[in-house]
Amino acid sequence: RKEVEQDPGPFNVPEGATVAFNCTYSNSASQSFFWYRQDCRKEPKLLMSVYSSGNEDGRFTAQLNRASQYISLLIRDSKLSDSATYLCVVNRVRSQGNLIFGKGTKLSVKP
Amino acid sequence: EAQVTQNPRYLITVTGKKLTVTCSQNMNHEYMSWYRQDPGLGLRQIYYSMNVEVTDKGDVPEGYKVSRKEKRNFPLILESPSPNQTSLYFCASSFRQGPSPYEQYFGPGTRLTVT
Repeated sequence: RKEVEQDPGPFNVPEGATVAFNCTYSNSASQSFFWYRQDCRKEPKLLMSVYSSGNEDGRFTAQLNRASQYISLLIRDSKLSDSATYLCVVNRVRSQGNLIFGKGTKLSVKP
Repeated sequence: EAQVTQNPRYLITVTGKKLTVTCSQNMNHEYMSWYRQDPGLGLRQIYYSMNVEVTDKGDVPEGYKVSRKEKRNFPLILESPSPNQTSLYFCASSFRQGPSPYEQYFGPGTRLTVT
């Protein structure tokens, strides 16, 4: 199993749709989880940290499922501006500063 | 303005010519890190630093060196660049949450081409 795995997509959805991404991780002892957003040729930007209890920020909801070792990102009421690549990030347990990025899931929101 | 700066933004060089990419942050972050991004391989961590004078290898450290003499600066050094180091490089920084980095702020990237 890869350390961090994401479906590369692309996910092509109409405006207003709800879309969900999953990301699986291999080490059950990982403690830090994040979702980043990256626009084409730009730097990644933090979208959300993922907490054990789940967290929500406007149209975005992140969940952590430790039993199944995956994190999810739900985007409601998709906007054209949500089109980007979404990166899942998990820390490596043996050295906490060592972060592993998933290869990203590409989202394209169409009018 | 809180930011991470990288210089240069674009660099074309030749094999074997030593180069340094600078990274500086003005947020008093303890944690800094370097990544490279390649098509199909995603972002991979090269080196990271938990604080001044504390550095450690990431997943792809071969061919790179770093130093952390001051909190704000974390330069990436390529002693003898090779074509397989052609890539898009990002520097990032964050506060620490215990032993782990917190939310990272990324610099704008340095596009390096080694011929």
